[in-house]
Amino acid sequence: QQQVKQSPQSLIVQKGGISIINCAYENTAFDYFPWYQQFPGKGPALLIAIRPDVSEKKEGRFTISFNKSAKQFSLHIMDSQPGDSATYFCAASWASGAGNMLTFGGGTRLMVKP
Amino acid sequence: EPEVTQTPSHQVTQMGQEVILRCVPISNHLYFYWYRQILGQKVEFLVSFYNNEISEKSEIFDDQFSVERPDGSNFTLKIRSTKLEDSAMYFCASIRDYGYTFGSGTRLTVV
Repeated sequence: QQQVKQSPQSLIVQKGGISIINCAYENTAFDYFPWYQQFPGKGPALLIAIRPDVSEKKEGRFTISFNKSAKQFSLHIMDSQPGDSATYFCAASWASGAGNMLTFGGGTRLMVKP
Repeated sequence: EPEVTQTPSHQVTQMGQEVILRCVPISNHLYFYWYRQILGQKVEFLVSFYNNEISEKSEIFDDQFSVERPDGSNFTLKIRSTKLEDSAMYFCASIRDYGYTFGSGTRLTVV
């Protein structure tokens, strides 16, 4: 019930294309769904996050779509650029005592070809 | 922009030795975390720390692990007797509300 399942494991997209990464969760107590971008040798960096009271959130070229009934959420990267090549992790958390433990998906390695 | 700072960036240690990984969280953050990432795998929660005590820990965080905030700024993770399977990237993170800030990590290699 704690798992967050992410797909695909790897993705190759042409420059200018749309990258789509999907995640699914089981625990309905989760109330915060962030996406992290990680470059080699660096820590995960928060990209965009959504709460379950909205179905979509857009920040620049990055959009999260959230389907509460299906317990799924996805990241769309529009006009994908070579600089977007990185590993992307979805995650989920809830307010658990003091602070919120993140449960991460398995990651998607995105390569954007010029 | 405020950063979470981790030292060292890379640590090589012999199996059975003790290691201490150090972190300086963002100063006005209230919650502190350690996560680890075995090469090529997902990021896994180890422990959370609030108000000078552990608030949650995972199954990975067994008796070999301990955390401390010795002086109000540093936050350390100690592994008492390292095993080969402890080899991983260890990330420190801190938050105030919901927005995590992760450090760049310490790559621990146990040989």
